[in-house]
Amino acid sequence: DAGITQSPRHKVTETGTPVTLRCHQTENHRYMYWYRQDPGHGLRLIHYSYGVKDTDKGEVSDGYSVSRSKTEDFLLTLESATSSQTSVYFCAISVQGRPETQYFGPGTRLLVL
Amino acid sequence: GQQVMQIPQYQHVQEGEDFTTYCNSSTTLSNIQWYKQRPGGHPVFLIQLVKSGEVKKQKRLTFQFGEAKKNSSLHITATQTTDVGTYFCAGPPLYGDYKLSFGAGTTVTVRA
Repeated sequence: DAGITQSPRHKVTETGTPVTLRCHQTENHRYMYWYRQDPGHGLRLIHYSYGVKDTDKGEVSDGYSVSRSKTEDFLLTLESATSSQTSVYFCAISVQGRPETQYFGPGTRLLVL
Repeated sequence: GQQVMQIPQYQHVQEGEDFTTYCNSSTTLSNIQWYKQRPGGHPVFLIQLVKSGEVKKQKRLTFQFGEAKKNSSLHITATQTTDVGTYFCAGPPLYGDYKLSFGAGTTVTVRA
């Protein structure tokens, strides 16, 4: 599965608290992505990164920030969690030479109360 | 922006029957990809089609990319219980970056 891990795998938090999700990859892939998955919406891109300290917004970036200080780690932060951010969050990578084909991590289930 | 739609949203199939799910994009795609997600799992890449009119097969699964590169289909023959899951299509625009737009998926259940 392309050596991708996500942590935590499950989290329950309260409205207004900051939350950070971590995506870790072991194969030095350049491109990394954060998606959220909600019923009826498929997968929606939150942010993506095309290198260390190089990130850009996706279609649902409001309320989220990202950081990538090392090739292997891509962090997603919910600055002040809201109930609408209850979702399953997937990290993905693209392999060298095939930037548009993506391989997903196992996901993080987040519940915001 | 680019929108990708899939129909049907749900497909209930008798084991052994065939079915087709469809994917339509509002814009021309560079390529089309299909992913499968088992219940409780993560999306897994199945296949990519690049050429206009391309057809590819994976055992009982047949994938087709439309001539205008705006639509695609997935046909499954002799459905088995292992086919249960949600099938997503996704594609980057013909002109632009590599960001994928995903359809909402077709969720397949199988009656034994």
